[in-house]
Amino acid sequence: GEDVEQSLFLSVREGDSSVINCTYTDSSSTYLYWYKQEPGAGLQLLTYIFSNMDMKQDQRLTVLLNKKDKHLSLRIADTQTGDSAIYFCAESMRSASKIIFGSGTRLSIRP
Amino acid sequence: SAVISQKPSRDICQRGTSLTIQCQVDSQVTMMFWYRQQPGQSLTLIATANQGSEATYESGFVIDKFPISRPNLTFSTLTVSNMSPEDSSIYLCSVEQNSGANVLTFGAGSRLTVL
Repeated sequence: GEDVEQSLFLSVREGDSSVINCTYTDSSSTYLYWYKQEPGAGLQLLTYIFSNMDMKQDQRLTVLLNKKDKHLSLRIADTQTGDSAIYFCAESMRSASKIIFGSGTRLSIRP
Repeated sequence: SAVISQKPSRDICQRGTSLTIQCQVDSQVTMMFWYRQQPGQSLTLIATANQGSEATYESGFVIDKFPISRPNLTFSTLTVSNMSPEDSSIYLCSVEQNSGANVLTFGAGSRLTVL
């Protein structure tokens, strides 16, 4: 079946690293994505990773993919107040040519 | 990346009425998608709108309830028909960019509240 799961909330201290986790079920996924949604705005692509990679780094963002366990994570280094948002994990399903989203993790930053 | 404009950004509607949401893209795109985002839930794909053909609906969504138009490569509309409070949601238009990686660009969404 199609399912992408994330925890709903994460709270971190400003300056610490945030790690948002995601599990998915479709082993034939070709791409996995992280999107960010700020209040009142649409989703914005943060980064994506091809399924034959296990890591991708882009400035403060590190994506780790464990294909065996179908686990994806997003690490944000030196978390800032501007990182407060909802983060959506998503997978591209080759079998159905569509993208399935998780329910989103709301990241809040405390001083 | 493409810039997507959605109208209205929000509306309050009465039960039993219908509302049409417009999506305008600043470039020509082949595939446009309509998603629904209910509070605390994941985005759910309603349908894929291709120019020149009927929209393709996902399981649980039907044309009578969510008619879609796609008159050209830069514009689409989604109508939410005979609304009930359960239709209160954010409706998002998106287009595919970088088709090799299936990356989606989203509009800001239309937040509908049905009383």
